[in-house]
Amino acid sequence: DGGITQSPKYLFRKEGQNVTLSCEQNLNHDAMYWYRQDPGQGLRLIYYSQIVNDFQKGDIAEGYSVSREKKESFPLTVTSAQKNPTAFYLCATSLKGQFTGELFFGEGSRLTVL
Amino acid sequence: GDSVTQMEGPVTLSEEAFLTINCTYTATGYPSLFWYVQYPGEGLQLLLKATKADDKGSNKGFEATYRKETTSFHLEKGSVQVSDSAVYFCALSRNTGRRALTFGSGTRLQVQP
Repeated sequence: DGGITQSPKYLFRKEGQNVTLSCEQNLNHDAMYWYRQDPGQGLRLIYYSQIVNDFQKGDIAEGYSVSREKKESFPLTVTSAQKNPTAFYLCATSLKGQFTGELFFGEGSRLTVL
Repeated sequence: GDSVTQMEGPVTLSEEAFLTINCTYTATGYPSLFWYVQYPGEGLQLLLKATKADDKGSNKGFEATYRKETTSFHLEKGSVQVSDSAVYFCALSRNTGRRALTFGSGTRLQVQP
């Protein structure tokens, strides 16, 4: 099936540990995004990538890192520098070409820091 | 910077009631506007969009009109169903520059039978 796969769905981490969230897509979309969702704050953009080997910071990039070595994959690392990492993380993709605003979302990964 | 403001929820309605969820925005230029919906346990999906002033987006009985003079994009539906229970997000994108969406805080809709 074509789609976006995020893993793991649930993740628990101790303070001071880095953790990597996976996002894989087989839609052949060029652009990929990471958003963070918190109750009452909606979605906030962490990082996005328009093409392989290139990515840009979003509005809340501090404490996060990404890589885009393959078109299909855009992993997000939540580092120990992120002050409040407990949140729901959503990966999304969009088609190449003129940006239409239509994003396709995965089902999300919920990270809890103990 | 760009921002989107939505009415706080939850909004609780009885089946067949009329729905309005307010959305206003702040942006330079002429953004495109969107409504996304998140059903329980699922990712977000695009519900409707409008790309210029006075455009009306519509889908699944939902409508929203791009009002430049009031910088608004309110979501409406004439008769809601239990299956419409979800979280609704208003969003905008610039037509130049950053190719990403700016979202509002979301409004939870609960429809009771």
